[in-house]
Amino acid sequence: DAKTTQPTSMDCAEGRAANLPCNHSTISGNEYVYWYRQIHSQGPQYIIHGLKNNETNEMASLIITEDRKSSTLILPHATLRDTAVYYCFRDAGGTSYGKLTFGQGTILTVHP
Amino acid sequence: EAQVTQNPRYLITVTGKKLTVTCSQNMNHEYMSWYRQDPGLGLRQIYYSMNVEVTDKGDVPEGYKVSRKEKRNFPLILESPSPNQTSLYFCASSLRRGGVLEQYFGPGTRLTVT
Repeated sequence: DAKTTQPTSMDCAEGRAANLPCNHSTISGNEYVYWYRQIHSQGPQYIIHGLKNNETNEMASLIITEDRKSSTLILPHATLRDTAVYYCFRDAGGTSYGKLTFGQGTILTVHP
Repeated sequence: EAQVTQNPRYLITVTGKKLTVTCSQNMNHEYMSWYRQDPGLGLRQIYYSMNVEVTDKGDVPEGYKVSRKEKRNFPLILESPSPNQTSLYFCASSLRRGGVLEQYFGPGTRLTVT
């Protein structure tokens, strides 16, 4: 039972915005949405996270729908170096730790 | 420099020969975990540890063991490796800051079992 679902792969032209969707329809009120990416076979790296509001940092923007059932990661001007696997996952905040489920991720290919 | 290290980075072994992949972090994090990554299956958590001597199963624990005797180390043990454990393995170290989970991944260990 996947906690998040993402498209298997997407393409994007260099210089254009890449919009990567994630469905998390069963998300609870206290769960954050996180995005990580993995370039080649390196260790995944954090991109951004959000709870309710849209978020932006130097790497990307995160748009969360009002019902919080889905979100979109936006890379505003994709470059060839953004070709990677992008993972979205959800985790309850607070102070405790537990099992984490990443899922399959989306392979984003940025082409010239 | 804050980091998670794994050793070895590459390993080729034979079925049934016990092996250990080490993981160490220098950030004093309480939470550590192991993942495996296979084509089309994404990242799957094997085991995690919430603190010294506290470990629990992730989504795919069969065939693996872990231990957490010290806060900084979290080795992954394959008592009797089999070819279906050929995979790319990542160790991660995490903390909560203001409720938000911060995860740091190691560089990965590529294991081949023949």
